[in-house]
Formats: sequence, structure tokens, C-alpha cells
Amino acid sequence: EIVLTQSPGTLSLSPGERATLSCRASQSVSSSYLAWYQQKPGQAPRLLMYGASSRASGIPDRFSGSGSGTDFTLTISRLEPEDFAVYYCQQYGSSLFNFGPGTKVDIK
Amino acid sequence: QVQLQESGPGLVKPSQTLSLTCTVSGGSISSGGYYCSWIRQHPGKGLEWIGYIYYSGTTSYTPSLKSRVTISLDTSKNQFSLKLSSVTAADTAVYYCASAPAPNPFFFDYWGQGTLVTVSS
Repeated sequence: EIVLTQSPGTLSLSPGERATLSCRASQSVSSSYLAWYQQKPGQAPRLLMYGASSRASGIPDRFSGSGSGTDFTLTISRLEPEDFAVYYCQQYGSSLFNFGPGTKVDIK
Repeated sequence: QVQLQESGPGLVKPSQTLSLTCTVSGGSISSGGYYCSWIRQHPGKGLEWIGYIYYSGTTSYTPSLKSRVTISLDTSKNQFSLKLSSVTAADTAVYYCASAPAPNPFFFDYWGQGTLVTVSS
């Protein structure tokens, strides 16, 4: 089973700053199988990125994804007030899915 | 646009079976366009995938819950369901239904709003 680790656990930043979130897999993951989600309190997760670097429909271009193998990154170029939330990475493999533990981006 | 809505009891007694239904609108389960999944989130914790079903009847379950989980389809009602047997307090969580696009179901693009299920006597 592939285990996903996300760092940092919490990222405290100010609006307008750049956020860099890391997702590391215990084994190599195909980029096609790596996705990112945003979750705000009391809401369902929302798909942000799929295929590691493709933005989902309606996602602003300040969100970008990159990486390959075991190391993947979600970058928010300039934080907007609505971006403060928890972010999860997720991988698919062998007909199974699993999620990372999440990174909380909060206001500094 | 596909919309999903969970329904079912919010309170289940220990040792009983948790049963939830997800009603799909804006698309047909029998079209084969997506895989229908259940995902849960323990209070204040991260996301845990439970399993999926495809219109063909193909299922996949997370190994840790496989012995207690059944996911089924009712294409006549455009619904899919979750049954989790022998529940304990550790099964208290918000349960989401979600869809992953076929033929490459690598991510979840549509989610229900979630429903809290509490296991307590």
C-alpha cells in the first residue's frame, strides 16, 4: 500500500503570499494518478488538480501542481482570502484510492 | 452537471448495520460514465476511501473495511448504496458519496454534501 505524507501539517501565511504544499509518496506514483482537493469547514472536498498538474474545471490559475515519482507539489501563487482551507493529496493505484493527511493553510 | 445527495439514518446503534443511499442527478449511473464511491471523514480527521461500484457491478473496497462493506446499485432509481456491518463508535464519521470519471477513475470530480452518521446506543 502506498502511503502519502503531506508537509507541512499547518502553513501560516498572509493573503497575497505564495503557498507551497508538499505530498510525498512511499513508492513511485504515476503522475496521472495524483490529485489535489481543497476542503473548507463544513463543506465537501473540491477537486483542484488531477493528473498532478491539470486544473479542474473552474479552478483559478493561481493554483498549480507539479511533480513526479514520489514528490508532488501544490502551489498557490498568491493567496486569496477564500484559499485558507485544508488541502489533501490523493493517489490511485490497483483499483484502490488513498488520501494524504492534509495540510491546513491558515491566516497568519 | 452531476449532483449527488446522501441520505440515511444519522444515528446507528453499535453492532448494527449502517445503511446510506446516494441519489445521482444530472447523469445516469447506467451510462457507465463514472465510478460511484463512498468516502468518509472521522470528526476532525482526514479522508478515508471506502469503496466504489461501477455500473457493470464491479466493486473495489479498501482492505481495512472489506469484510464489513457492501456497495450496491439501483439503476432504476439512479442510486447507489453503502452498507457497513457491525459498526462501532469508530465508524462515527461524515460519509460522502462521490463520483470518479470512467474510463479513468483516478480522482473524484463530484461529491455529495456529506452526511454525519453517529454510532451510539
